[in-house]
Amino acid sequence: SQTIHQWPATLVQPVGSPLSLECTVEGTSNPNLYWYRQAAGRGLQLLFYSVGIGQISSEVPQNLSASRPQDRQFILSSKKLLLSDSGFYLCAWSVRGLGFGGYTFGSGTRLTVV
Amino acid sequence: GENVEQHPSTLSVQEGDSAVIKCTYSDSASNYFPWYKQELGKRPQLIIDIRSNVGEKKDQRIAVTLNKTAKHFSLHITETQPEDSAVYFCAANRAGSQGNLIFGKGTKLSVKP
Repeated sequence: SQTIHQWPATLVQPVGSPLSLECTVEGTSNPNLYWYRQAAGRGLQLLFYSVGIGQISSEVPQNLSASRPQDRQFILSSKKLLLSDSGFYLCAWSVRGLGFGGYTFGSGTRLTVV
Repeated sequence: GENVEQHPSTLSVQEGDSAVIKCTYSDSASNYFPWYKQELGKRPQLIIDIRSNVGEKKDQRIAVTLNKTAKHFSLHITETQPEDSAVYFCAANRAGSQGNLIFGKGTKLSVKP
């Protein structure tokens, strides 16, 4: 069966520090991968998605970047965090090219920038 | 651009009552509509979905209806229980985009015992 791992679960970082969040998927090949951010009590904002190694699409301009160095690994990064980067970050995967089929989300990383 | 609107943003019901959440979508090419439930501090989880070739789908106390002509779909929860309390998100796929989903802004459902 497929599983998705995301870490760390919680993170407190000072303003201006770098960030690296990692997500890996097991039990499937060639998945679509996604990074979402959720502010407290708010909806799901799509940050990045990837349909293959090295292929990254950005939905909104921001202080963040994403990379996909391996088929089942998706990394979210920042060189210098801002206070506004605080939130709940969710990685998700779906079957590539199916057009339908739900997302499976990771357990999330709660990031607090202080 | 494509959009999914979800109403209401908050919903409070008594235990045992029914709850209905409604969504409208703008992309007429959308053909897949999932619903997610997110409990406090946890990840969203798929609870039911419907494809455009079906008008209604049921799974125990949960049902989803789809009106393609009007471009709206709804989640119905019957005999609500306190454990149904959560934030519910509807979504529609963005046709031609590798299946990317567009999410509604969520409905916070509170079921009072």
